[in-house]
Amino acid sequence: DAGVIQSPRHEVTEMGQEVTLRCKPISGHNSLFWYRQTMMRGLELLIYFNNNVPIDDSGMPEDRFSAKMPNASFSTLKIQPSEPRDSAVYFCASSWTNSNQPQHFGDGTRLSIL
Amino acid sequence: QKEVEQNSGPLSVPEGAIASLNCTYSDRGSQSFFWYRQYSGKSPELIMSIYSNGDKEDGRFTAQLNKASQYVSLLIRDSQPSDSATYLCAVNGDSSYKLIFGSGTRLLVRP
Repeated sequence: DAGVIQSPRHEVTEMGQEVTLRCKPISGHNSLFWYRQTMMRGLELLIYFNNNVPIDDSGMPEDRFSAKMPNASFSTLKIQPSEPRDSAVYFCASSWTNSNQPQHFGDGTRLSIL
Repeated sequence: QKEVEQNSGPLSVPEGAIASLNCTYSDRGSQSFFWYRQYSGKSPELIMSIYSNGDKEDGRFTAQLNKASQYVSLLIRDSQPSDSATYLCAVNGDSSYKLIFGSGTRLLVRP
C-alpha cells in the first residue's frame, strides 16, 4: 500500500519566493496533519484537517503560511513570502479520525531558504 | 498546556543490552500512546502503540504504560547498532485527533 506521499523532497529557494509543499495522504484516511521539524523546536504541529476541513491552525506561525485541502487526496502548504527562518523539514501525516489511530508520516520536504 | 517530556539523551548502551526509554505526560485524560523511531534524515516511523495499563510486547520491543503515574516507557531487548535513532513518544487526548510529541530521546547502541 502506498504511504503518505510528499513533494518535493528537497526545495532550495531564495528569500521572498513563494514555496508550495504538496501531500497525498493514505487512501481512506480522513485526517491530515502538517508538521515542521527543526533541531531547536523539535516536531511542531502546524495545522490539521478532518474531512478536508481545517480544524486547528493554531500552530501556523504567521500569515505567511497557508494550507488547503481541496479534496480527500491532496493538500498543500504554502509559504509566501518565504524567509530564512522557515528553513526546516516539513512533514505531512495522515490517519483515521479516531483518537486510537496513529499517524503515518510522509518522507518530508527539506526546505532551505537562502 | 499539555506536555510530553523525554530525556534528550543520548542514551548509550552496548550491543545486546536492554535499552530503556521513558516518557511522562501531563494530561490525565490521555488514552492513546505511541512510540515512533526516527533515523537521522528520515521521517518518524510508528513502532509501538499502547492503550491500556501494563505491558505490550512486539518482538524485541515492549511498551509499558502506567496511567496512574502518567508515564510510558519503551524497552528494547538485545539492542542492535541498527536501533540507534531518536525515539519519539506521542500522546493523544481522549477527544482530540492531535498527537502531542515529546522532543525525543537519542539512543546510541555501541557495537
